[in-house]
Amino acid sequence: EVQLVESGGGLVKPGGSLRLSCAASGFTFSISGMNWVRQAPGKGLEWVSSINSAGSHIYYADSVKGRFTVSRDNANDSLYLQMNSLRAEDTAVYYCARDKLHTAVIPFDLWGQGTLVTVSS
Amino acid sequence: DIQMTQSPSSLSASVGDRVTITCRASQTINKYLNWYQQKSGKAPNLLIYGASTLQSGVSSRFSGSGSETVFTLTISSLQLEDFATYYCQQTFTTPRTFGQGTKVEIK
Repeated sequence: EVQLVESGGGLVKPGGSLRLSCAASGFTFSISGMNWVRQAPGKGLEWVSSINSAGSHIYYADSVKGRFTVSRDNANDSLYLQMNSLRAEDTAVYYCARDKLHTAVIPFDLWGQGTLVTVSS
Repeated sequence: DIQMTQSPSSLSASVGDRVTITCRASQTINKYLNWYQQKSGKAPNLLIYGASTLQSGVSSRFSGSGSETVFTLTISSLQLEDFATYYCQQTFTTPRTFGQGTKVEIK
């Protein structure tokens, strides 16, 4: 089955760290660009980060730059998001999402179910 | 950064209605515009990309149009399963910004 499964969410105190994982299956992960998107409770979608297939091109939203680090392990079909110096405003469901192949527009055509990160004392 | 503004923010409609949602970009994005549907508690689902290309498996009652800065998503005949929140997204440049969403509710 083609799917993405996130894990690693939970409750963390302000200033703390958390590492999210996204396990891919059913498709060739190593040729797919990947993304993290988050959604605060009751709010809209916010793009967080993108990484290309080789891991050589990485982009971040200004709101997380310098605090979050995206990485990938193509040998193990996994995407990661290391989150440091967490703030209350980072509380959200975090989704990993795949870039659609063979189109210049590059929408996100496959999403995980999401993992909830709660930053609170 | 490119700002994406959707209108309306919410709407009430009946089954069978034709519904149109508008998305405006703060600068030209050619046709690098995508639409997603999100149902409560679920992940978003890609409906349309490149402004007007229907994603595989998506009902043909969904259609998209527009270019440069103004885009529309149209649902030709609203069905019960279409009640959800819809987001536009530009992938012309990073950050790949989303609109604030349009919630489609039952009248």
